[in-house]
Amino acid sequence: DQQVKQNSPSLSVQEGRISILNCDYTNSMFDYFLWYKKYPAEGPTFLISISSIKDKNEDGRFTVFLNKSAKHLSLHIVPSQPGDSAVYFCAASIGGANNLFFGTGTRLTVIP
Amino acid sequence: GAGVSQTPSNKVTEKGKYVELRCDPISGHTALYWYRQSLGQGPEFLIYFQGTGAADDSGLPNDRFFAVRPEGSVSTLKIQRTERGDSAVYLCASSLNPTNTEAFFGQGTRLTVV
Repeated sequence: DQQVKQNSPSLSVQEGRISILNCDYTNSMFDYFLWYKKYPAEGPTFLISISSIKDKNEDGRFTVFLNKSAKHLSLHIVPSQPGDSAVYFCAASIGGANNLFFGTGTRLTVIP
Repeated sequence: GAGVSQTPSNKVTEKGKYVELRCDPISGHTALYWYRQSLGQGPEFLIYFQGTGAADDSGLPNDRFFAVRPEGSVSTLKIQRTERGDSAVYLCASSLNPTNTEAFFGQGTRLTVV
C-alpha cells in the first residue's frame, strides 16, 4: 500500500523555466515532508523539507508547497538548470526521520 | 570520512548464500537506518537503530534479515539463505538524532542474487 505517491515518472523542462514536481499522500498522520534528489550510483541527497504546520518553505531556487486538505505537496525549482537533472523522491514521516515513506520518484530532465 | 560509507558497493551472490552488508555512519550520528530500493521503486524502510539497539525493525521482510550495531556506530545488515527477490540496492542513512529529520544516505550496496 503506497502511502506516498508520485504519479509522474518523468518530467522534461527547458533550462531557465520552472520545474514543478508533485507528490500526494494518504496518511493524515504524516507531519514532516521531505524532498530528496538522487543521481545515478549515488544515495539520495536531502534537498528541502516542510513541517505540517507550514504551507510553504523556500530555500534559494527550491520551494516546497504543502496543501494538507488535499494531501498534496509540490516542489518548485526556478530557474531550472541542467545540473538539476536527477530523480526526485518525495518522502514523509511521522515524528522524525526514523521511518521515512518514499514515493517512487520523478526523473527530471532539464534541457539546455 | 565525512559521509555515510557503505561496503561493498556491489555484491553478487548465489541463491541460498549468506551475505553481510556494512554501513559506517557519519561520526556522532546516533540514529542509523537501513532502506531497500528495488528497481523502479522508492526506498523502503527496513530497520532503525538508536545507539546500539534496534528501535524499530518493523520493515524487515522476514526472519532471514537481521541487522546489528554492537558499538553504536558501524552497522551490519545480514541476509541468510538469499533469494533472487532480495536483489535490490540496500541504502544506509544516519541522522544526528531520531528527531532530526534530515537523514544522510550512503551510496548504497547493489545486491544481486543469481
